[in-house]
Amino acid sequence: EVQLVESGGSLVQPGGSLKLSCVASGFTFSNYWMDWVRQTPGKSLEWIGEINTDGSKTNYAPSIKDRFTISRDNAKSTLYLQMSNVKSDDTAIYYCTRIYLSWGQGVMVTVSS
Amino acid sequence: DIVMTQGALPNPVPSGESASITCQSSKSLLHSNGKTYLNWYLQRPGQSPQLLIYWMSTRASGVSDRFSGSGSGTDFTLKISSVEAEDVGVYYCQQFLEYPRTFGAGTKLELK
Repeated sequence: EVQLVESGGSLVQPGGSLKLSCVASGFTFSNYWMDWVRQTPGKSLEWIGEINTDGSKTNYAPSIKDRFTISRDNAKSTLYLQMSNVKSDDTAIYYCTRIYLSWGQGVMVTVSS
Repeated sequence: DIVMTQGALPNPVPSGESASITCQSSKSLLHSNGKTYLNWYLQRPGQSPQLLIYWMSTRASGVSDRFSGSGSGTDFTLKISSVEAEDVGVYYCQQFLEYPRTFGAGTKLELK
């Protein structure tokens, strides 16, 4: 069974940093591109970015580019989202997803002073 | 960015009736390879999104055949035949033709 489990969400102050993790199991992690998607409270979904299979290529949404970094460790079957200089607009549930077919349960990030 | 615009449903929908959800893209999602780069999702209350349809009309594994997707390059429809209680939630369309990938605002389905 495919499983994606996010962790690392918390309350963070504006301008601060946070790193989310997504541990994958039930499939060969290194064979798949992976994405991060977020959902603001009561609102729609927003694509954040993606990373290719070996971590050499990433694509980002303009709203977070230069502030967020996606990386992966295939040996640990883990996807990461490094968030820096966070803003109140970054408050959301963050999901990792495997080609949109499988999704994690999401992790909450709250940006507030 | 490609803008995805979803229509509303005349909620609540009577159980057993069919429902059609529309989605319009600001640019054609039809690729030169003949595929249309559109996904449909259902997000049930308190759950993560679930992929229902990809390539505009291909059902994801395990998805009921009561769900069907159709459309052209810019206008799309998700049809749910014989709506059931488990279909309640918010439906989203998404384009994955261009970066950034973009989603519609969502269409809520409520059951009568």
